[in-house]
Amino acid sequence: KAGVTQTPRYLIKTRGQQVTLSCSPISGHRSVSWYQQTPGQGLQFLFEYFSETQRNKGNFPGRFSGRQFSNSRSEMNVSTLELGDSALYLCASSPMAGGNSPLHFGNGTRLTVT
Amino acid sequence: GDSVTQMEGPVTLSEEAFLTINCTYTATGYPSLFWYVQYPGEGLQLLLKATKADDKGSNKGFEATYRKETTSFHLEKGSVQVSDSAVYFCALSDPGLRNQFYFGTGTSLTVIP
Repeated sequence: KAGVTQTPRYLIKTRGQQVTLSCSPISGHRSVSWYQQTPGQGLQFLFEYFSETQRNKGNFPGRFSGRQFSNSRSEMNVSTLELGDSALYLCASSPMAGGNSPLHFGNGTRLTVT
Repeated sequence: GDSVTQMEGPVTLSEEAFLTINCTYTATGYPSLFWYVQYPGEGLQLLLKATKADDKGSNKGFEATYRKETTSFHLEKGSVQVSDSAVYFCALSDPGLRNQFYFGTGTSLTVIP
């Protein structure tokens, strides 16, 4: 079974631009979560989608948004990029909602904002 | 709120040494507990999990026991190998929080031959 696929692997953007990251979950997984990983803050929860609905959102500004499609694929968008948005963005999927299902992570998208 | 506290790194061990990485948690409900491992340039991989008190998770020689009385989930391995060099994350998931996971800050482990 194919794992979680994130594209692209690397992105370099300029301050003020916007960016869209893509995530394809494991087949059959309906929950997709996004995390931001930085050396200073560690892993921080962005949001979680289940059956195309955002069920939970972390403490990030409105510049960070996402969506999920009917095939469970998800996209995350960051508008008006700031230098502090440079991070590894990780997508994770799980078969269903509920905290007993472990997350399965992709290899991430490394975003650099200059 | 829910949180995970993990021992600071980095940790450097010789091959075949015993490994312990401490993890304690704070949770309002009855969380599930996890250990994840991250190799350079990759995402996190599930190492083991435990879903209720006194459960022991194990995988690839690693073990951790869910201790409710001490709110701990320490990771142990009896004999580490060079290939175990990675960053290890303790995490909890509170079912009441709709699949939101809380991660520790990670502990970097380097095993030298």
